Amino acid sequence: DGGITQSPKYLFRKEGQNVTLSCEQNLNHDAMYWYRQDPGQGLRLIYYSQIVNDFQKGDIAEGYSVSREKKESFPLTVTSAQKNPTAFYLCASSPGPGEPQHFGDGTRLSIL
Amino acid sequence: AQSVTQLDSQVPVFEEAPVELRCNYSSSVSVYLFWYVQYPNQGLQLLLKYLSGSTLVESINGFEAEFNKSQTSFHLRKPSVHISDTAEYFCAVTSGGYNKLIFGAGTRLAVHP
Repeated sequence: DGGITQSPKYLFRKEGQNVTLSCEQNLNHDAMYWYRQDPGQGLRLIYYSQIVNDFQKGDIAEGYSVSREKKESFPLTVTSAQKNPTAFYLCASSPGPGEPQHFGDGTRLSIL
Repeated sequence: AQSVTQLDSQVPVFEEAPVELRCNYSSSVSVYLFWYVQYPNQGLQLLLKYLSGSTLVESINGFEAEFNKSQTSFHLRKPSVHISDTAEYFCAVTSGGYNKLIFGAGTRLAVHP
């Protein structure tokens, strides 16, 4: 079945550590997105990519980095510069303009 | 800039009662509108979408939403809810391009027996 796979489901970060969240899709979608979800705030866009080797900052990109070396993969790195990383992170993909986004099941990141 | 307001953060309702979850948006251009549902510790699932055409859109599980351009609203309704409808519901808007979605803060629907 086609879909989006996020791993791991739960992740713990130590102070000063960078961690990478994986997102893989087999839907052959061009566009991919990373969102952060905090209680009562809905989803906020971190980064998005419309095509391989290209990506743009979203509304809350500070302290995060991404890469898009393959169409299927869009990993997100939470760097030590992100001072409040505890949240639920969601990856999504879309085939193109005007089409709905498809979401993975998320990664919950916590601080040790 | 676009924005989405979901007027109720929580909506408690009894099973088999009707429900309406309200969503208003602001945008100076034509929009596409979506409702997503999220169950605990899961991602978002598309419930229904308005892209163009008929202003009343329906989902396969009995929800419907009506696009009202003059009131800039896209309220979600269901005539009779089930316990299994308990979840968080998000309204979202985009003006197209590569689909940069703007989400509302969400409405938590709690269906009680």
